[in-house]
Amino acid sequence: EAQVTQNPRYLITVTGKKLTVTCSQNMNHEYMSWYRQDPGLGLRQIYYSMNVEVTDKGDVPEGYKVSRKEKRNFPLILESPSPNQTSLYFCASSFQLAASYEQYFGPGTRLTVT
Amino acid sequence: AQSVTQLGSHVSVSEGALVLLRCNYSSSVPPYLFWYVQYPNQGLQLLLKYTSAATLVKGINGFEAEFKKSETSFHLTKPSAHMSDAAEYFCAVSGSDSWGKFQFGAGTQVVVTP
Repeated sequence: EAQVTQNPRYLITVTGKKLTVTCSQNMNHEYMSWYRQDPGLGLRQIYYSMNVEVTDKGDVPEGYKVSRKEKRNFPLILESPSPNQTSLYFCASSFQLAASYEQYFGPGTRLTVT
Repeated sequence: AQSVTQLGSHVSVSEGALVLLRCNYSSSVPPYLFWYVQYPNQGLQLLLKYTSAATLVKGINGFEAEFKKSETSFHLTKPSAHMSDAAEYFCAVSGSDSWGKFQFGAGTQVVVTP
């Protein structure tokens, strides 16, 4: 089954404790992206990747890191989480065809930082 | 820079009535426009997309949207609401000069009443 998976689905952590949210897709998509969803703000893009070893900042990259060493994986790293990073996080992927970008979204990771 | 504004954070419609969700965009270059739907506790699913072909775009589940350049709008409609249409809807824009970068609107929650 074609899908985007995220782990963990739920995470409660404390301020300053490094964490990684994994994202994996099995559709051989070149493009992958991370978003955070907050009430009243919609989705905001954190980072995206056009292909392996190619990443770029979205609108809200501060406090986050990413890497793209393999085509299928795009982990999101919070080196020192803070309470304002409490949010619902989505990973998405798509083929990088001209004007396509039909993004497939993962189920989301709900992160709480206390 | 590009941005999206969705008018109305909540919309209530009667079953069988017209659904109209409003989206206005700003973009300095020809935009690519998308509508996504999010059901409770799920990721986002693409409803339809505009990529500079036909201005009237048909999507899944009976939805359609019309691109109006003069009004910088991309409103989503469905002639007859169904109970299963209750969800949150997001408009998104990507620019032809910024491949991979997306901006989403704040979302419109649709409630369908019997």
